[in-house]
Amino acid sequence: DGGITQSPKYLFRKEGQNVTLSCEQNLNHDAMYWYRQDPGQGLRLIYYSQIVNDFQKGDIAEGYSVSREKNESFPLTVTSAQKNPTAFYLCASSISRQRHNSPLHFGNGTRLTVT
Amino acid sequence: DAKTTQPNSMESNEEEPVHLPCNHSTISGTDYIHWYRQLPSQGPEYVIHGLTSNVNNRMASLAIAEDRKSSTLILHRATLRDAAVYYCILRDTASKLTFGTGTRLQVTL
Repeated sequence: DGGITQSPKYLFRKEGQNVTLSCEQNLNHDAMYWYRQDPGQGLRLIYYSQIVNDFQKGDIAEGYSVSREKNESFPLTVTSAQKNPTAFYLCASSISRQRHNSPLHFGNGTRLTVT
Repeated sequence: DAKTTQPNSMESNEEEPVHLPCNHSTISGTDYIHWYRQLPSQGPEYVIHGLTSNVNNRMASLAIAEDRKSSTLILHRATLRDAAVYYCILRDTASKLTFGTGTRLQVTL
């Protein structure tokens, strides 16, 4: 079955360390997204990518970096510059960002805890 | 980005219909209305979307006001498995797909 895989489900890191969250999709979707969710809050967009080797900042990109070297992969690095990294991170994809009638498909998230 | 407004929470009895409202008074002509729902510790799940006409699928129905400034997600018979946070968002080609805090639906026996 096609879908989006985020790994790991839970991740623990010490403050000051960079950490990379994995997101892989086998849906052959062009567009991919990273969101952050804090307890009781909605989703906030970190970065998005419309095509390989291209990505754009979302609303809260500071302290994060991404790459899109392959269509199926869109890893997110949480750097030590991110002041409040503990959160639930969600990756999503859609056929194309230009097709605004196409739904987003989400992974089941990675819960990152930084102490 | 066009914004949506939803009630923070709603309650329903099991096997009764549920109408979840969403206001989007600044919607533009090219915005699609999308609904997603999220169970605890999971990613959001697509429910339904529409542009102008009412839409039905196996999960729900979407009723869109004639002026498109509001919409209603209809669950015809709520079950305990429908308890979730429901998000209404507007999507166009320039949208950053902003998710608000949604409506937390509680379903009781």
